[in-house]
Amino acid sequence: GAGVSQSPSNKVTEKGKDVELRCDPISGHTALYWYRQRLGQGLEFLIYFQGNSAPDKSGLPSDRFSAERTGESVSTLTIQRTQQEDSAVYLCASSMTGVGYGYTFGSGTRLTVV
Amino acid sequence: QKEVEQDPGPLSVPEGAIVSLNCTYSNSAFQYFMWYRQYSRKGPELLMYTYSSGNKEDGRFTAQVDKSSKYISLFIRDSQPSDSATYLCAMKDGANSKLTFGKGITLSVRP
Repeated sequence: GAGVSQSPSNKVTEKGKDVELRCDPISGHTALYWYRQRLGQGLEFLIYFQGNSAPDKSGLPSDRFSAERTGESVSTLTIQRTQQEDSAVYLCASSMTGVGYGYTFGSGTRLTVV
Repeated sequence: QKEVEQDPGPLSVPEGAIVSLNCTYSNSAFQYFMWYRQYSRKGPELLMYTYSSGNKEDGRFTAQVDKSSKYISLFIRDSQPSDSATYLCAMKDGANSKLTFGKGITLSVRP
């Protein structure tokens, strides 16, 4: 596609439920990133996939968070047993590899835990 | 101390003003520097990307990097109401590394 596509755009869930967020990167982009943006805050790194290398999971805040990516295509971010502090916008970005390439972001999934 | 510090906002200027947005960083390994613009309820979009000290110009936008002082700036000339958005600085230490972002500053340009 022309850009990074994220779904759903909005999600309201009850505390304790699991949620799954989807990211469809730009075709040919080998790198894929998940970030979290809380209200009034900057972007907080969560996880990074680069080709077939082991993902960099150093930003995941707890073991309730996990992510998968199949090859160089779709990625899903799963949050188990959601808590109110998980409420945020979850942004996905993809990029080509190498110097000179910035990220292209999707519009995000706005998650509200009630 | 956070790795990347960005001037707090919000910032409000009249149309036509020159705007200066600034970030400092503590990690001397950072080599690649970017500025992103984020409109409300949208994802950030890349504005400028530099990887050397000095200035880079693109239309009304100039990105400045001073690696010796660990300081980067974005200048917007002849600011327009359409420039009203949140501006985020971002940087990384390697070509294939993850980006570390500043907190962002919200700019409002008054007609």
